Amino acid sequence: GNSVTQMEGPVTLSEEAFLTINCTYTATGYPSLFWYVQYPGEGLQLLLKATKADDKGSNKGFEATYRKETTSFHLEKGSVQVSDSAVYFCARFSGGYNKLIFGAGTRLAVHP
Amino acid sequence: GAVVSQHPSWVICKSGTSVKIECRSLDFQATTMFWYRQFPKQSLMLMATSNEGSKATYEQGVEKDKFLINHASLTLSTLTVTSAHPEDSSFYICSARVQETQYFGPGTRLLVL
Repeated sequence: GNSVTQMEGPVTLSEEAFLTINCTYTATGYPSLFWYVQYPGEGLQLLLKATKADDKGSNKGFEATYRKETTSFHLEKGSVQVSDSAVYFCARFSGGYNKLIFGAGTRLAVHP
Repeated sequence: GAVVSQHPSWVICKSGTSVKIECRSLDFQATTMFWYRQFPKQSLMLMATSNEGSKATYEQGVEKDKFLINHASLTLSTLTVTSAHPEDSSFYICSARVQETQYFGPGTRLLVL
């Protein structure tokens, strides 16, 4: 079936630490993949995306590479800030772009 | 990116009343909008897909008579929670798709007393 699996949180890091949030997907074919971020009390914001295999999405220091061999789209950032504290959702469309399928979300807390 | 707005951002109502939430695409036209519900510390749950000029498509387990959706124009979809009860208290988020990307509104927090 079509699903998205994220590493469980919460993830707690000190400022300037390296961040990795794992995301894997199951799918037939090669769907577009997304990372969304939700800051406290707000809706979701598109953080980055990749539309085909080997693409790298990047934004605000975050990166994720679409790896078809491992069906993964791990989110990384070299040096996190306190302002990065939020919930991060990995997502992909179901077949035909009818529905966006979300992972469970990973809460990141960055401490000074 | 495309901008989606919601109104109101917060609403408190008494049990038994109906509440309408608006979702607007500000700088693009959206033939399809989506309504989600999010419980605290959980992921988003798709409630329904709103199609301009036609009936909404509801997900399994979502009561269509309870959550009325109207998509009368290419820039506006509304969700009406009818006869709201405390268990309807939640964070409601709308979304619109532009080509291969979905953009989300800021959400509406509903508290039913």
